[in-house]
Amino acid sequence: DTEVTQTPKHLVMGMTNKKSLKCEQHMGHRAMYWYKQKAKKPPELMFVYSYEKLSINESVPSRFSPECPNSSLLNLHLHALQPEDSALYLCASSQGSQGQKNSPLHFGNGTRLTVT
Amino acid sequence: ILNVEQSPQSLHVQEGDSTNFTCSFPSSNFYALHWYRWETAKSPEALFVMTLNGDEKKKGRISATLNTKEGYSYLYIKGSQPEDSATYLCAPLNTGGFKTIFGAGTRLFVKA
Repeated sequence: DTEVTQTPKHLVMGMTNKKSLKCEQHMGHRAMYWYKQKAKKPPELMFVYSYEKLSINESVPSRFSPECPNSSLLNLHLHALQPEDSALYLCASSQGSQGQKNSPLHFGNGTRLTVT
Repeated sequence: ILNVEQSPQSLHVQEGDSTNFTCSFPSSNFYALHWYRWETAKSPEALFVMTLNGDEKKKGRISATLNTKEGYSYLYIKGSQPEDSATYLCAPLNTGGFKTIFGAGTRLFVKA
């Protein structure tokens, strides 16, 4: 079982819908991440939050909007997505900022998103 | 770190075989390297965190070495078992980017 919990596990949405992905961890980690994973490819970094502030945005389109309400929660708000945005969205956390040497990522099980 | 290469892309071995994979990365601005194990339908799990040139880490039958001067890390599996079947991801971090960027992975299939 993972200590990073993501909901929902599956999501189907139309191109005009607005939906949100949620991620929660209670390990006291201060850095949280969103990754996107397409079939047979490694996870691609989207956003990094460090101490509840957005520290990295990998030039992600504005139809993806991250939010970190507190140190335990991370949301990804979705609006006007395209079919090519269909993917597995993984949330991860680590003890501190990405710069900590001894702080690997702890991943959730992901949300499988399908955009129709 | 943009040029992370893992080889081979996939590997088929028999139960009991020993095997190894390679991760190559630019040696400049090296900060740390993480290895992850990713089973189908599960999330990636950290195997090793490696920071110093010459580091050797071991967990059961799996071990890893690090050469930061020449920019490579090896992952070894001794006596492969079917439960070792997974994708093994290498993720170097550099001091400039402070990002975990994953290599494409080596997909290991162990046949009983």
